[in-house]
Amino acid sequence: AQSVTQLDSQVPVFEEAPVELRCNYSSSVSVYLFWYVQYPNQGLQLLLKYLSGSTLVKGINGFEAEFNKSQTSFHLRKPSVHISDTAEYFCAVSPPNQAGTALIFGKGTTLSVSS
Amino acid sequence: ETGVTQTPRHLVMGMTNKKSLKCEQHLGHNAMYWYKQSAKKPLELMFVYNFKEQTENNSVPSRFSPECPNSSHLFLHLHTLQPEDSALYLCASSQPGQGAEEQYFGPGTRLTVT
Repeated sequence: AQSVTQLDSQVPVFEEAPVELRCNYSSSVSVYLFWYVQYPNQGLQLLLKYLSGSTLVKGINGFEAEFNKSQTSFHLRKPSVHISDTAEYFCAVSPPNQAGTALIFGKGTTLSVSS
Repeated sequence: ETGVTQTPRHLVMGMTNKKSLKCEQHLGHNAMYWYKQSAKKPLELMFVYNFKEQTENNSVPSRFSPECPNSSHLFLHLHTLQPEDSALYLCASSQPGQGAEEQYFGPGTRLTVT
């Protein structure tokens, strides 16, 4: 079985500062990895995903994440955040090649960007 | 309409009421999901449908009853709910068999049980 741990429940940061949201996963098989963002009163939107290949994955809105197999981590980073990045961020995993398998989500990290 | 839509967006119901949540996807996907999102807890998978067949029921109480009449529509019928069922209910869809199954989410229905 897979599980996801998001190490920080809340991350406050000032505008234009860099940010890292941490995610660790546990799995006995290879997995696909995802980061989703949820803005207030909205559903989840995919930021980026890791399937295979290059361990550095670039997503929308200037975010990127690095897959580290030895540390079973998939941390999300952005070099300079904006007020509009304030949202809830979810890390998720799924086993590959299993049709219709639901994602397993972490508890989420609230990113609060202030001026 | 594009993507995944959910209606209603907000719902307040008493414990003796019967109501239904509706989800519609316009993406041509064949897998649909119901998730429950409560405060301070991870998203909880409730049900999965693949090609209109229920393939997963994550130990959900029988007061929640899903229905998938076709690959584009998914319902969640509610009856005799409890206050602890108040949450955001999210619908998602994906296309099985295309590698990583990125799931597309609707905006959710905010349910309050009084």
